[in-house]
Amino acid sequence: AQSVTQPDIHITVSEGASLELRCNYSYGATPYLFWYVQSPGQGLQLLLKYFSGDTLVQGIKGFEAEFKRSQSSFNLRKPSVHWSDAAEYFCAVANSNSGYALNFGKGTSLLVTP
Amino acid sequence: NAGVMQNPRHLVRRRGQEARLRCSPMKGHSHVYWYRQLPEEGLKFMVYLQKENIIDESGMPKERFSAEFPKEGPSILRIQQVVRGDSAAYFCASSPSTARYNEQFFGPGTRLTVL
Repeated sequence: AQSVTQPDIHITVSEGASLELRCNYSYGATPYLFWYVQSPGQGLQLLLKYFSGDTLVQGIKGFEAEFKRSQSSFNLRKPSVHWSDAAEYFCAVANSNSGYALNFGKGTSLLVTP
Repeated sequence: NAGVMQNPRHLVRRRGQEARLRCSPMKGHSHVYWYRQLPEEGLKFMVYLQKENIIDESGMPKERFSAEFPKEGPSILRIQQVVRGDSAAYFCASSPSTARYNEQFFGPGTRLTVL
């Protein structure tokens, strides 16, 4: 079954520093991969997605992610973090057996310090 | 174009009562997915519906939970005889067709508290 693992539960980054959030997936074929962000008490907003093609994907808010098949990874990056980026970040893979419903990782909580 | 709407945003029920959660998809979207988020957990898929049809309910508990998406009106997630373990945030998402190549748009969620 398709699944994702986010190894880091919490990450703290200084404002202006670079960010990388890790995501590993388990899936035999080419996966459909997503990164979502959730602010406290809010719903989820899509940052970016990968279906096929260029393995470096650009998203909103200055985020990007790189699909690496050899490492089964889809890590999220941002060159310079802003205080407003503090939130919960979820990696997800679409499950083709459930109408492409999403299988989410447990999330990484990002704290941004001054 | 209004986004996905869910109501109520917060719902408090006592053990044994029924909870009804509503989801109005974005205009033009005919596919709805329900997810549950337990504390400190990611979202877990519950059920996938199209208008008047349940396509996949493999993630939904076999007892007490049901879902529908009628021809007219919102999608409803119904939990009968709620227990404390049902306390969670319930999110719905919609897409214009199968989400294979389409983004799922999420609503703000309904936070259910069972006393």
